[in-house]
Amino acid sequence: DIQMTQSPSSLSASVGDRVTITCRASQDIDNSLAWYQQKPGKPPKLLLYKTSRLQSGVPSRFSGSGSGTDYTLTIASLQPEDFATYHCQQYYSTPPTFGRGTKLEIK
Amino acid sequence: QVQLQQSGPGLVKPSQTLSLTCAISGDTVSSRRAAWNWIRLSPSRGLEWLGRTYQRSKWYNDYAASVKSRITINPDTSKNQFSLQLNSVTPEDTAVYYCARKEGEKEAFDIWGQGTVVTVSS
Repeated sequence: DIQMTQSPSSLSASVGDRVTITCRASQDIDNSLAWYQQKPGKPPKLLLYKTSRLQSGVPSRFSGSGSGTDYTLTIASLQPEDFATYHCQQYYSTPPTFGRGTKLEIK
Repeated sequence: QVQLQQSGPGLVKPSQTLSLTCAISGDTVSSRRAAWNWIRLSPSRGLEWLGRTYQRSKWYNDYAASVKSRITINPDTSKNQFSLQLNSVTPEDTAVYYCARKEGEKEAFDIWGQGTVVTVSS
């Protein structure tokens, strides 16, 4: 199975900050990477797929980049509704696997 | 608008069978473009994919190695839903269980059920 290592595990930031979350795969996943946002008591919500493609309805302050084994999620200017947990996931091979999540908290 | 609605008990006794159902609206379980998945979230394991069912030329199932001996995912075309059965549960199976659609073009999980908190306890 492909292991996904996400960092940091938690992050404190302020409204308006630019934040970056990283995800490293244990092997090349050829841009087959998705990012999800999850709030307490809710299911994950798809933000980006294929590394950088924005899911319909997701604000453009969210962006993704990367290649090979290393990928990043960037939030350009944090809004109050962005404080949540973020998960990366590879779908290059079965089984699909997830990072352990990054909890983004208000500073 | 595609929606997934989960149902099933929130408390299961050790050694018994966990059974959940995911009803689909706005799409069909027989879609040749989708796969229908079960995923769980626990503090110890994070998000863990359990398995999927999908139809192409025939019906297929894939299961995670960690649960392969205990899991069955079945489509029900008459009710447009799919189900999860996990046998011989232990407290380690306590988690929030989600059903989710993987749509062919995006390849990611784009639609999720609301989640079911399942506790394994006597």
